[in-house]
Amino acid sequence: DIQLTQSPSFLSASVGDRVTITCRASQGISSYLAWYQQKPGKAPKLLIYAASTLQSGVPSRFSGSGSGTEFTLTISSLQPEDFATYYCQQLNSYPPLTFGGGTKVEIK
Amino acid sequence: EVQLVESGGGLVKPGGSLRLSCAASGFTFSSYSMNWVRQAPGKGLEWVSSISSSSSYIYYADSVKGRFTISRDNAKNSLYLQMNSLRAEDTAVYYCAREGRLGTLHGLDYWGQGTLVTVSS
Repeated sequence: DIQLTQSPSFLSASVGDRVTITCRASQGISSYLAWYQQKPGKAPKLLIYAASTLQSGVPSRFSGSGSGTEFTLTISSLQPEDFATYYCQQLNSYPPLTFGGGTKVEIK
Repeated sequence: EVQLVESGGGLVKPGGSLRLSCAASGFTFSSYSMNWVRQAPGKGLEWVSSISSSSSYIYYADSVKGRFTISRDNAKNSLYLQMNSLRAEDTAVYYCAREGRLGTLHGLDYWGQGTLVTVSS
């Protein structure tokens, strides 16, 4: 099974900060990586697919990069509504379609 | 507007069974692969199962293989998850989610609101 390691698992940041979250795969997954945002009590929301393609309707301050085994999600200027938990997911091979452990972004 | 609405969750005793349903609307259900993803209280996301558009391909996580069965009825625009031999560790919110138009490359682009399954005596 492909394992995904997200880092950090928790980060504290201020409004306006640039934030970067990393997701590392235990083996190459090409560009079959997605990023999701989840707020408490809500379903996850797709932000980025194919490693770097912004899902329709998602603000352009979100961006994704990487291929193979190392990927990043960047929020260029953190907004109040961005405080949430972020997950990466590999969709290169299943089963299973693994999720990373999550990164909780909190207000400093 | 794409909508996915789960139902069927509830409290069940260990060893019991439950059938979850997901009613889809706002898109051509028969053209998309569908998934179940769960989230235990206070924990991260765990993929459970996938089914292709025509039910030709079905996959399960090792944690549920042999106990859970995914199925779909394209005529009724519905996705199902039959859960048998339930364990305490199956306690979670269960989400149905659609694979995007590019298949797995597109990720899971729409999610339901989730239904809570609690396994406890």
